[in-house]
Amino acid sequence: SQQGEEDPQALSIQEGENATMNCSYKTSINNLQWYRQNSGRGLVHLILIRSNEREKHSGRLRVTLDTSKKSSSLLITASRAADTASYFCATDADKLTFGTGTQLKVEL
Amino acid sequence: DAGVIQSPRHEVTEMGQEVTLRCKPISGHNSLFWYRQTMMRGLELLIYFNNNVPIDDSGMPEDRFSAKMPNASFSTLKIQPSEPRDSAVYFCASSFIVVGAGNTIYFGEGSWLTVV
Repeated sequence: SQQGEEDPQALSIQEGENATMNCSYKTSINNLQWYRQNSGRGLVHLILIRSNEREKHSGRLRVTLDTSKKSSSLLITASRAADTASYFCATDADKLTFGTGTQLKVEL
Repeated sequence: DAGVIQSPRHEVTEMGQEVTLRCKPISGHNSLFWYRQTMMRGLELLIYFNNNVPIDDSGMPEDRFSAKMPNASFSTLKIQPSEPRDSAVYFCASSFIVVGAGNTIYFGEGSWLTVV
């Protein structure tokens, strides 16, 4: 069974807008990661947040983690057409378990 | 640095044929993962090796699937006999796992399998 579940399943925005994706998980974690997958490609690691962190930034990415609610969010600010991809959250342990992904489409 | 290398990138085969997917992990990594991705089921972990030893194969769908890692630089995923429902993208990934730490997994570009 999958640990993380992303929401929404699909998101369409205009270039320049912010995109927010959410992830919910079921069990306690040590850390949570976000990955990106361009169409036809493998997943690429974006950012990791540890369970004792509440927020983390990396460039235009902002990730929050609420362990009491077992949820995380990924915010992409000032989105670009090149951000069009699927985004997955993954919870830890020695084997990462991925959610079903959010398909983001950024239109010009 | 070379990333995770998978072959073949694309394969079309007939039902009943044997399929072998290959993976070369990133040098120095101690863990290797095989994932399967489909529209219906998303990204599923099939099997996970640590130091060339299978640690968890609970995701392997059935006996038709087998995976080996004879050394630290090579792994195979074999499907015999293949069926149309095996059509999917199969990803190999590797990582240097430190228990309790955040372990980034590096993915290959995938092997796109179509069984007709």
